[in-house]
Amino acid sequence: DSGVTQTPKHLITATGQRVTLRCSPRSGDLSVYWYQQSLDQGLQFLIHYYNGEERAKGNILERFSAQQFPDLHSELNLSSLELGDSALYFCASSVGGRAVETQYFGPGTRLLVL
Amino acid sequence: GENVEQHPSTLSVQEGDSAVIKCTYSDSASNYFPWYKQELGKGPQLIIDIRSNVGEKKDQRIAVTLNKTAKHFSLHITETQPEDSAVYFCAASKGINTGTASKLTFGTGTRLQVTL
Repeated sequence: DSGVTQTPKHLITATGQRVTLRCSPRSGDLSVYWYQQSLDQGLQFLIHYYNGEERAKGNILERFSAQQFPDLHSELNLSSLELGDSALYFCASSVGGRAVETQYFGPGTRLLVL
Repeated sequence: GENVEQHPSTLSVQEGDSAVIKCTYSDSASNYFPWYKQELGKGPQLIIDIRSNVGEKKDQRIAVTLNKTAKHFSLHITETQPEDSAVYFCAASKGINTGTASKLTFGTGTRLQVTL
């Protein structure tokens, strides 16, 4: 158990809908990262938040957005969903100092868009 | 941007044998190289990592080697056991918390099967 929690574990929805994925980092970690894992793209970095502020964006679609709240939990919002958005979505957390520390991954949310 | 290649994509070994997985990276500025193990239905779990100021690191049956000149790093698992069966990912990052330098770029994964 990494100490990172994600909800829900599974999500089934229809095209065009909007969903919110939630992540709670390990106690004391200030950085939260979101990754998408799909069969054709592998594990891809989406976005990084540090202590409530966006630090870096990767290959994140404009239909996707995220935020990190004062209690450090994070939410990833996916809107206007398409079939191709079906994937596993992981969040990871790290202490978040100047140097990059180990990123600990949560169990993921499996999203299926029908 | 960084590109990480990983080989082989599948690897089958007998219990007790050694397994080696190799990765190459493209960005010479990368200096942090973690390895993750992912079991079915679970998130990636860090098993070992290495930074560029170190050439080799060991943790019991697992070792990682890094050749910065050639830009490649390898995972070595000795005395493999059935519970080592999983998908293994290598990754690389620039190792500092600035911009996208903190992100991990992953290899495509190796499915390791340890047979009895």
